[in-house]
Amino acid sequence: SYELTQPPSVAVSPGQTASITCSGDKLGDKYACWYQQKPGQSPVVVIYQDTKRPSGIPERFSGSNSGNTATLTISGTQAMDEADYYCQAWDSNTAVFGGGTKLTVL
Amino acid sequence: QVQLQESGPGLVRPSETLSLTCAVSGYSISSGYCWGWIRQPPGKGLEWLGTIYLSGITYSNPSLQSRVTISLDTSKNQFSLKLSSVTAADTAVYSCARQIVAAPGPYFDYWGQGTLVTVSS
Repeated sequence: SYELTQPPSVAVSPGQTASITCSGDKLGDKYACWYQQKPGQSPVVVIYQDTKRPSGIPERFSGSNSGNTATLTISGTQAMDEADYYCQAWDSNTAVFGGGTKLTVL
Repeated sequence: QVQLQESGPGLVRPSETLSLTCAVSGYSISSGYCWGWIRQPPGKGLEWLGTIYLSGITYSNPSLQSRVTISLDTSKNQFSLKLSSVTAADTAVYSCARQIVAAPGPYFDYWGQGTLVTVSS
C-alpha cells in the first residue's frame, strides 16, 4: 500500500520560515494537499493541487511537489500557525494521509 | 455555508456494527461532489475510511474494505457509514467531509466537527 512519510515535529521561531516535508514514492506524479488541524478542531485545507491556496488562507502558506517530496512552506510563521499538519494524496482511488507533523512556534 | 454534522452512538460493543450518519446543510448532496468519512484515533493521525460518489459508487480503504459500507440518502440530504465487527482499535473520532473531485487532486473542503466513538464492553 502507498505510504506518505512526514517528520513528527518541526520547530520554528516566530517570523521565520517553516518547511514541512511529505515523502512518498513518485509523489511528484500525483497531487498533494495539506491540512492544518488545531487542537480540538477539524482539519482545514491550506494547500490543494500541490500549490493552490483556498480563499481565506494567508499568502504565507505555499506548497511544492517534485520527485518524491511535497513541501509545505510557511513564510513569516506566526504563533497562530502552531498546529498539526497532514499531507494527503491519492493512489489508485485510495486517499492516503501522512502521519502528521506537529509545528511548534517557539 | 456548507455544514456537516455527524450523529450516532458514542459507545459500541466489540464485534458489533458502528453506524453513523452525516447530515448536510447549506448544500444539496444530489447536486454533486463526493462525500467521505475519515477517522482519527485519540492522539493519532488521520485515516481515510471511504468515499461515495453521487452515482453510488464507493471506494474504501483497502485495510478496512470488507468492513466499511457507505450509503447516500438524497431525500434526507445525508450519508451514512457502517463499520462492522469493531474492536477497540476502531475507537476514534469519526468525521464526515465533502470531497472536491475536480481533477486533478481531490481534497476535502468541508468537514464535520467529528464524533467520538468508543468501542468497549
